[in-house]
Order: sequence, then C-alpha cells, then structure tokens
Amino acid sequence: ILNVEQSPQSLHVQEGDSTNFTCSFPSSNFYALHWYRWETAKSPEALFVMTLNGDEKKKGRISATLNTKEGYSYLYIKGSQPEDSATYLCASDSSGTYKYIFGTGTRLKVLA
Amino acid sequence: DTAVSQTPKYLVTQMGNDKSIKCEQNLGHDTMYWYKQDSKKFLKIMFSYNNKELIINETVPNRFSPKSPDKAHLNLHINSLELGDSAVYFCASSQGLTAAYEQYFGPGTRLTVT
Repeated sequence: ILNVEQSPQSLHVQEGDSTNFTCSFPSSNFYALHWYRWETAKSPEALFVMTLNGDEKKKGRISATLNTKEGYSYLYIKGSQPEDSATYLCASDSSGTYKYIFGTGTRLKVLA
Repeated sequence: DTAVSQTPKYLVTQMGNDKSIKCEQNLGHDTMYWYKQDSKKFLKIMFSYNNKELIINETVPNRFSPKSPDKAHLNLHINSLELGDSAVYFCASSQGLTAAYEQYFGPGTRLTVT
C-alpha cells in the first residue's frame, strides 16, 4: 500500500447501531496514525493519535485500534447517534518526513 | 477564543491577481501547516513550518509562497492566480514536528478564481 486508504467511502446506519470503518496505510517506516472527525462546514478535529502497534484508544463511545505490522487501523462507534454524523479521516506519517498523508475519509450518516 | 484562525473565510478573485491568506494560532505551537482540499475532497499538505523554518514544501508551484513572521503566524501568498487554484485552503498547527502531536485546524478559506 503506497497511500492511505479508507473504507467504506460512506455509510448510513440507524441510531443505536454500532459501526466501524478501516484505515489502511503503508506499514514500513511507520511513525503515527491520526484519526480526525470532520463535520460539515467545520474543520477537522483530532480524535486519536496512535503510535504503537496494538494501541487501543477510547473517547466516549468512539474507540480505535492500530496494527502497524499489517498497516491498518479500525475506528469503532458504539451506539451511533445523529450527532456522530461526520466524515472520519485518518492520516499517516509513514516515512518520518513529518508529511501526513490523509485518506479520503469515511462519510457516516446516522439516521434518527 | 479561536485556537487557529484564518482570514478571509471566503475569497473571490480574478485570474492573474495576487492574494494572501492569513493564519494565526494562539496555542503556543511550534509547527504550522498549509493544506489544500482539492476537488475530490482530499486534504493535501502544501507546506509546514517549525519555529519559522520551512520543513515541507510539497511540490507546490512557486506562485505559492508561505511566510512565517513568527511562530504564531503562517501566511500564504499566491501570485498570478489560476482557475485551478480554486479550492479550500486549511491552516493547521501542532505542538511540534513529531508525529505524536495532533493537528489543530483552522476553519478554512474558500478561494474561488474566476
């Protein structure tokens, strides 16, 4: 994998459902993986910064895991709420050049 | 108090003009960035500065010139604007250069070149 890829591109879930999405990144020379939440008409806000293989981070109903050996991270949202509707971006610095490569994001819509 | 602010929020101008976008952060961060959100909604890094020193210049046309008068400011000047420069430009800052620091983004500047 040469770029940062996210899947799915978009999804709709019902309120109360749990969901997850994937970020894939180059596993060689890995330095860090960032997750951001980007609401429409606002700017991206940091959710997590993950650096170690096996890292698990949690903020409220949102959690993330990291596998640096295989080059992927999962973001989980438990009991989705309409206010969780946003684009979730991941970004990786996999070269140590301080250059973050962003994925295209997963657009989540939570239906009430 | 806005952590990372950008001015203007919207900028409409004609081809060939020169324009500037200003960015200021009041977080005491050492590192600042400029990103361009392209038509496919990708966020692509353009420049980064650390303590007023240019760190990343990501093959951006030399019509784009960043200027960092101090750690709290990173301005973007664009000469001879072209239609393809139309995009949303985001400024961001982080505590330092290392990847362990999250980035704080400004609200974006929507540039439209006609």
